[in-house]
Amino acid sequence: AQSVAQPEDQVNVAEGNPLTVKCTYSVSGNPYLFWYVQYPNRGLQFLLKYITGDNLVKGSYGFEAEFNKSQTSFHLKKPSALVSDSALYFCAVRDIPGNTPLVFGKGTRLSVIA
Amino acid sequence: DAGVTQSPTHLIKTRGQQVTLRCSPKSGHDTVSWYQQALGQGPQFIFQYYEEEERQRGNFPDRFSGHQFPNYSSELNVNALLLGDSALYLCASKRGSSYNEQFFGPGTRLTVL
Repeated sequence: AQSVAQPEDQVNVAEGNPLTVKCTYSVSGNPYLFWYVQYPNRGLQFLLKYITGDNLVKGSYGFEAEFNKSQTSFHLKKPSALVSDSALYFCAVRDIPGNTPLVFGKGTRLSVIA
Repeated sequence: DAGVTQSPTHLIKTRGQQVTLRCSPKSGHDTVSWYQQALGQGPQFIFQYYEEEERQRGNFPDRFSGHQFPNYSSELNVNALLLGDSALYLCASKRGSSYNEQFFGPGTRLTVL
């Protein structure tokens, strides 16, 4: 069965500093990986995805994520954090091939401090 | 281009009642999925509809049922509400292919008293 772990409930970072939000996954086949962001009282917004190809994926709002197959990780990164990046971040995975449901982690709350 | 829309925004029900939540997918999308997001948790997959049929189902009881209409909009019905059904219910849509990402609506906040 697929699973996702986000080991940190909360990440605090100063504005202008680099940020990393961690995610590890488990799938039976090859992974199809996503990052979503959720602002208060809003639905989830898609940030980026990895299916194949370059291990470094670039997404919306300056975010990127690095796929590491040997460590089964897909950490979200941004070189310089903004206060407006403060939100709840979810990593999600599903198996390839097939149409299995998306499985989400429990989320990591990012706080960027001015 | 309107994204995924959901109604109502908020809903308060009492135990034992029934509720219907509605979702209109993003233009051009034909597949709708429903998720339950309890407080402090990630979204949990309920089921997915494509071509007006339930194609996949998560680990939810039969009290949770749904429907997809010819215009691809969808409803989520929950019968015999329990306190534990209180959550944010998210609808997501995508265009057919398995490899397309889903777009989420703002959700319906259901409170069961």
